[in-house]
Amino acid sequence: GNSVTQMEGPVTLSEEAFLTINCTYTATGYPSLFWYVQYPGEGLQLLLKATKADDKGSNKGFEATYRKETTSFHLEKGSVQVSDSAVYFCALSEGGAQKLVFGQGTRLTINP
Amino acid sequence: NAGVTQTPKFRVLKTGQSMTLLCAQDMNHEYMYWYRQDPGMGLRLIHYSVGEGTTAKGEVPDGYNVSRLKKQNFLLGLESAAPSQTSVYFCASSWDGQGWGTDTQYFGPGTRLTVL
Repeated sequence: GNSVTQMEGPVTLSEEAFLTINCTYTATGYPSLFWYVQYPGEGLQLLLKATKADDKGSNKGFEATYRKETTSFHLEKGSVQVSDSAVYFCALSEGGAQKLVFGQGTRLTINP
Repeated sequence: NAGVTQTPKFRVLKTGQSMTLLCAQDMNHEYMYWYRQDPGMGLRLIHYSVGEGTTAKGEVPDGYNVSRLKKQNFLLGLESAAPSQTSVYFCASSWDGQGWGTDTQYFGPGTRLTVL
């Protein structure tokens, strides 16, 4: 079946540091790929998405590019802020009902 | 526009008790989903629905039942709760029936359930 693997956490960085969270996937066909973010005590919200190979999703300074050749969708941000502290989930959609398959999540903490 | 709401926010059950979690959405979405979130495992799909009156099993359906009698509501039931069902439960919805392509799933705030 389809699966998503994220880099192990937790990740702790200083403010203004460069962020990369790795995500690789295994899938039949050509799924859409997503990054969701979960702030403390809240539900998940979409951060960005890409629907086909070589697409780049971007939002709030975060970017990720759909790389079919390496089956990857790594999340990057050039300069993180304390407010970016959250849990980040990589996911792919499968099937006609657009069901999501999630990675295990990466907890990010940004220190001032 | 409240989005996706879940009731209750917290609940503690004893083993063997039953309960129903309610999810409601006001975005006229066709698809609705129930996930559980456990530490280190991300979110896993329990059941989902592609429209009023329909339900289907996800990855981890055992011990749960669902119903979608109205388009805006999706109920998740535990008939006989077990400690292994201690988790945070999230409901989500997507696709207003217009156009094609991949639509974003919108999540509720979650229900934290503890089974003793």
